[in-house]
Amino acid sequence: DAKTTQPNSMESNEEEPVHLPCNHSTISGTDYIHWYRQLPSQGPEYVIHGLTSNVNNRMASLAIAEDRKSSTLILHRATLRDAAVYYCILSNQGGKLIFGQGTELSVKP
Amino acid sequence: KAGVTQTPRYLIKTRGQQVTLSCSPISGHRSVSWYQQTPGQGLQFLFEYFSETQRNKGNFPGRFSGRQFSNSRSEMNVSTLELGDSALYLCASSLALGGYEQYFGPGTRLTVT
Repeated sequence: DAKTTQPNSMESNEEEPVHLPCNHSTISGTDYIHWYRQLPSQGPEYVIHGLTSNVNNRMASLAIAEDRKSSTLILHRATLRDAAVYYCILSNQGGKLIFGQGTELSVKP
Repeated sequence: KAGVTQTPRYLIKTRGQQVTLSCSPISGHRSVSWYQQTPGQGLQFLFEYFSETQRNKGNFPGRFSGRQFSNSRSEMNVSTLELGDSALYLCASSLALGGYEQYFGPGTRLTVT
C-alpha cells in the first residue's frame, strides 16, 4: 500500500482558509486520494476523494498536483467544529482504508 | 436517514473470553468494513464484507472473525481475548464493494481486563 506523509499538527484561525498538505510520491495510477477526519470521541467522517482532477464539495476542496505526488485539502473558512485529525489516504479499494497518523488541526477563535 | 449504528457502545470483558460486536449499516448500503483503533497503532483495517462474503482482510490473527447477514448487518467476533485487544472497534458502510465514501459508526469501546 502506498504511503502518505502529513504534518503532525497545524494551527488555524477561525474563519480563515486552511490548507492541509499531503505527500504521496509512490502513488500508483489506480490509487484514489481520500480525506477523512475524526473529531474527538467520534468515528472518522468522509470529507472528499479524487483521482486526478481537483474536486469540490460542500465540505472542502481537494487540489491534486499534476504529477499526483502531492495533494492539498482546503477548508475555505475554518470553524471551531473543524478541529479534528485529518487523514490523507491512498486506496484503490475504497472499503480498505489504510490510515496513517494524520494531521491534528486546531482552530483558534 | 439513520446513520451506522453499533452495539453495544461499551463493553468490558475478561482475558480469555470471547466477544461479539454488531454493526447495522445505513439503509441501502451493502458493504461493511471493520477497523480497530488504539492509541499505539492508530486505525487499522480488519476486514470488509459484501454480499455476505469477506472480500478484503487486514493483518490480524484468526481470533478476529466476522460475518455479514442477508440484510447487510454485520458482526465481528474476537475469541480468546487478550489485553491488547482493548480498543475502539469501528464499522463503516458504503453503497457498494469498494465504495469510496465510507460512513463510520460511533464505535464500540472494548476493554479487556
